[in-house]
Amino acid sequence: GAGVSQSPSNKVTEKGKDVELRCDPISGHTALYWYRQRLGQGLEFLIYFQGNSAPDKSGLPSDRFSAERTGESVSTLTIQRTQQEDSAVYLCASSLNLNTEAFFGQGTRLTVV
Amino acid sequence: AQRVTQPEKLLSVFKGAPVELKCNYSYSGSPELFWYVQYSRQRLQLLLRHISRESIKGFTADLNKGETSFHLKKPFAQEEDSAMYYCALRDTGGFKTIFGAGTRLFVKA
Repeated sequence: GAGVSQSPSNKVTEKGKDVELRCDPISGHTALYWYRQRLGQGLEFLIYFQGNSAPDKSGLPSDRFSAERTGESVSTLTIQRTQQEDSAVYLCASSLNLNTEAFFGQGTRLTVV
Repeated sequence: AQRVTQPEKLLSVFKGAPVELKCNYSYSGSPELFWYVQYSRQRLQLLLRHISRESIKGFTADLNKGETSFHLKKPFAQEEDSAMYYCALRDTGGFKTIFGAGTRLFVKA
């Protein structure tokens, strides 16, 4: 595609519900990254994929967070039993490989009420 | 621990004035430093990286290892420079990029 695409762009969910956020990377990009940005704060690294492998999951805030990637394509970030502190913009980025420029999506704004 | 600090949340300057957005980092090795920019209603995008030693849109940034700084500078600010700027660090050989909290630059006419 023309760029990194994330869906939905906005999501309002009730506390305790599960949510799934989707990221479509640029075609051919092997590396994919997820970040979280809380209001007024910087980007917080969550996880990266090289292909469909995620060597470093240490950035995930809790075991309620999980992510997977199918081949070198779509990735989903799942948050189970959402809490109000999960409210943030979730950004996805992809790059040709791990050492090249990352291109960001528009983000998904998650609001937990 | 790796950390990127941008001490100013908001920087307001007049058009034509010089601008400097500060960035300090802490890292034990040799990091790669970047500046990212996000214009209103647009995606976060790479502005420049220290290894390229380039000037993009009139902006430059010099890595000062002694002061562990990577300040972004432009001699004459333009209204279209108004945006959110993020300083970022990536450890060489690693793949995690750490971002600062960002500085919002507002260039007044």
